[in-house]
Amino acid sequence: KNQVEQSPQSLIILEGKNCTLQCNYTVSPFSNLRWYKQDTGRGPVSLTIMTFSENTKSNGRYTATLDADTKQSSLHITASQLSDSASYICVVSLYMEYGNKLVFGAGTILRVKS
Amino acid sequence: SAVISQKPSRDICQRGTSLTIQCQVDSQVTMMFWYRQQPGQSLTLIATANQGSEATYESGFVIDKFPISRPNLTFSTLTVSNMSPEDSSIYLCSASPGGGYTFGSGTRLTVV
Repeated sequence: KNQVEQSPQSLIILEGKNCTLQCNYTVSPFSNLRWYKQDTGRGPVSLTIMTFSENTKSNGRYTATLDADTKQSSLHITASQLSDSASYICVVSLYMEYGNKLVFGAGTILRVKS
Repeated sequence: SAVISQKPSRDICQRGTSLTIQCQVDSQVTMMFWYRQQPGQSLTLIATANQGSEATYESGFVIDKFPISRPNLTFSTLTVSNMSPEDSSIYLCSASPGGGYTFGSGTRLTVV
């Protein structure tokens, strides 16, 4: 069964600290993996996208890693800011003949405190 | 990447009524997608809408409940029909111009 599991479910950190969010998937055949940030009451916004051959991708203070062998990804946030408080969703794209299908994780809710 | 305008952003509706949600993309796209996000959960695909053909619905979703229109390559609507409190969710549209999936800002629906 194609699944994406994220951990932790929620996380509270102090402003300025780093954190790492995890994503494990069993999606096959794999096309790509994306991390999205979703602010409360808003639609998801893309942070990174990685294909099978990419191990790491950065977007400012966000760095995503991908291990296609173990089917694991992580999102590392450096020097967190209050505005980083949001839900972070791992999305794996499943390759299908008529077009890719997205499989969504349940998300990690991050709260950054001052 | 594309910009998707979605409206309304939120609404409170009486049970038994219907609500139509609109999405406008700033570029032409072949497929548009409609999702539901129930409280505390991730996104669930409702249907895929291609221009000029009937939408393709995922298991558990039917056209009578969620009719979709796709009159051209930049616009789509989703109607939530005969609403009940269980339909209270965030509804999002999405498109994939150039391979990158972009989402609208969502419609927060509360059915009372």
